[in-house]
Amino acid sequence: EGQLLESGGGLVQPGGSLRLSCAASGFTFSSYTMTWVRQAPGKGLEWVSGISSSGATTYYADSVKGRFTISRDNSKNTLYLEMNSLRAEDTALYYCAKDRKSPDYWGQGTLVTVSS
Amino acid sequence: QSALTQPASVSGSPGQSITISCTGTSSDVGSYNYVSWYQQHPGKAPKLMIHDVSNRPSGVSNRFSGSKSGNTASLTISGLQAEDEADYYCSSYTSSNTLVFGGGTKLTVL
Repeated sequence: EGQLLESGGGLVQPGGSLRLSCAASGFTFSSYTMTWVRQAPGKGLEWVSGISSSGATTYYADSVKGRFTISRDNSKNTLYLEMNSLRAEDTALYYCAKDRKSPDYWGQGTLVTVSS
Repeated sequence: QSALTQPASVSGSPGQSITISCTGTSSDVGSYNYVSWYQQHPGKAPKLMIHDVSNRPSGVSNRFSGSKSGNTASLTISGLQAEDEADYYCSSYTSSNTLVFGGGTKLTVL
């Protein structure tokens, strides 16, 4: 069974940057598309970004387009989310998940707090 | 991309059946069979309960079933149990190559 472990969250000031990582195991990482989903405190799920299995194609929600960059290193079985120009409204628990269309395996999330 | 529409809350007694609806548009639910349902208990990550409209992953109880008609998908839970009390979210792939979630439904088992 697949496992995903996110890391890299923390407290950052508005306008700052953060890089999230998601280490995958238990499945052939390079064969699957991947997704980032976030959940603000007490709120629902929000899709953030997706990436093809090779990493050649990426997709973004309008709310993060131009500020966030998704990437992957298939040799390291790791998914990334580079977040720049962070805003208070980006505060959330960030989950990585396997598959772009029907995410099945989810990690436990890493918390990003944007505050001065 | 607007969120899919779900009722904010539903409730039922143990043993009963409930249905949660998820309404989208012809650009998402109506055009694709990539409709999924997730269960989320407090403080836990979402768990996939139904994928591709009506398919249950291995290990998910057959009390959970999904369907779709037009732009509306539905999750039915039969034989309600106390442990079913949780938040439920639907999701759908979209014509913009994105994923959209519903606002979530809080299920209370009375």
